[in-house]
Formats: sequence, C-alpha cells, structure tokens
Amino acid sequence: DAGVIQSPRHEVTEMGQEVTLRCKPISGHNSLFWYRQTMMRGLELLIYFNNNVPIDDSGMPEDRFSAKMPNASFSTLKIQPSEPRDSAVYFCASSLRYLRELFFGEGSRLTVL
Amino acid sequence: GIQVEQSPPDLILQEGANSTLRCNFSDSVNNLQWFHQNPWGQLINLFYIPSGTKQNGRLSATTVATERYSLLYISSSQTTDSGVYFCAVERNTNAGKSTFGDGTTLTVKP
Repeated sequence: DAGVIQSPRHEVTEMGQEVTLRCKPISGHNSLFWYRQTMMRGLELLIYFNNNVPIDDSGMPEDRFSAKMPNASFSTLKIQPSEPRDSAVYFCASSLRYLRELFFGEGSRLTVL
Repeated sequence: GIQVEQSPPDLILQEGANSTLRCNFSDSVNNLQWFHQNPWGQLINLFYIPSGTKQNGRLSATTVATERYSLLYISSSQTTDSGVYFCAVERNTNAGKSTFGDGTTLTVKP
C-alpha cells in the first residue's frame, strides 16, 4: 500500500508569496494531521481532521495559515502571505482513527526568503 | 498539557553496542508511539505501544503506563540506526493531539 504522499518535497519562495502544500492520506484512514517541525519548536501539531472535518486548529499559528480537506483523499495547507519565519518542514500524517498508529509522509521542506 | 521528557538527549555508540532510550510522561496516556527520524528526515514508525512489550528484530519497547514511562531498546546497533528517536503520547481526553518529546539523537559510529 502507498503511504502518505506529500507534495512538493521542497519549496523555495519569496516572502509574500502564497504557498500550497498537498497531502494524500493512506487509503481508508479517516484522521489526517498537519505538523510543522523546526529546530526551535520541535514537532508541533497545526491542525487535524476527522472524516474530512477540521476538529482542532488551535495549533495554526496565524490567520495566514489555512487548511482544507475537500474529500477523504486530499488535503491542503496554505500559507498566504508567507514569511521567512514560516520556513520549516511540514509533515502530513494519517491514522485509521484517534488513538491509533500515526503514519507520516516524507514532509515538505519550505524555505521562505 | 502533558509533558514528555526523553533521555538522554544525545547518545553516541560504537557499532555493535546496545542502548536504552527512555520516555517519561507527566499524565496517564492512552496511546504511545516510538518513531525514528532518519538523517533524510523521514519519520518512521517503530512501535505503537500504549502498554506492554513488543519486539521487532533488534528493537524492542516496553511501556509501563501505570508508572508513566516507556523504554526503547536497541541491540547490536548499526550505523543505519543513527538519527533521532521520538516518543509521542496521546490522551483519550485529548484524542487526536499527540504530544512529542524533544527526541534522543543517536549517532552510531562504525
């Protein structure tokens, strides 16, 4: 089975540009999570969905960040406008349901100049 | 919120040595996982172990939920074991919000 698929793997953009990160969860999983990893803050949960519905977005740092899950096989994380402090690795993960094993994608490394 | 502490923060081993990594957590949990982040940044599941003991090849893990800790054992370490090992916990009362420790950085030298 294919794992969690993220794109792009690397993104370099200039401050002020819009960034869209994409994620395809494992087929059959109904919980999807977006994490951000930085040296300073480690792995932080940004938002998670259950059955395509956002459950908790308290980790989203600012209004510049938004996430959607239009169907069970696709989610996006958008940053508009991007800032240099948004530079990080963004991971998408999925699980069969809450309190079950979490599987991560390979991450999207974002650099904002 | 729940606190997760991993120790040691850094560990350097010679190939073939054994090691034990520890994860302490401040409150009862319903889910605990160990992950390995390899030097390429991939986060790989090692164990889903809310309680009890599991083994997978040279790796094994034990979680004693009542005493709020988990241990990851690596035997006969190899250079490919290098990377960062994370413990992540989740509570039923806060389902969906896994809290990660800061990790143990393991370097295995040939």
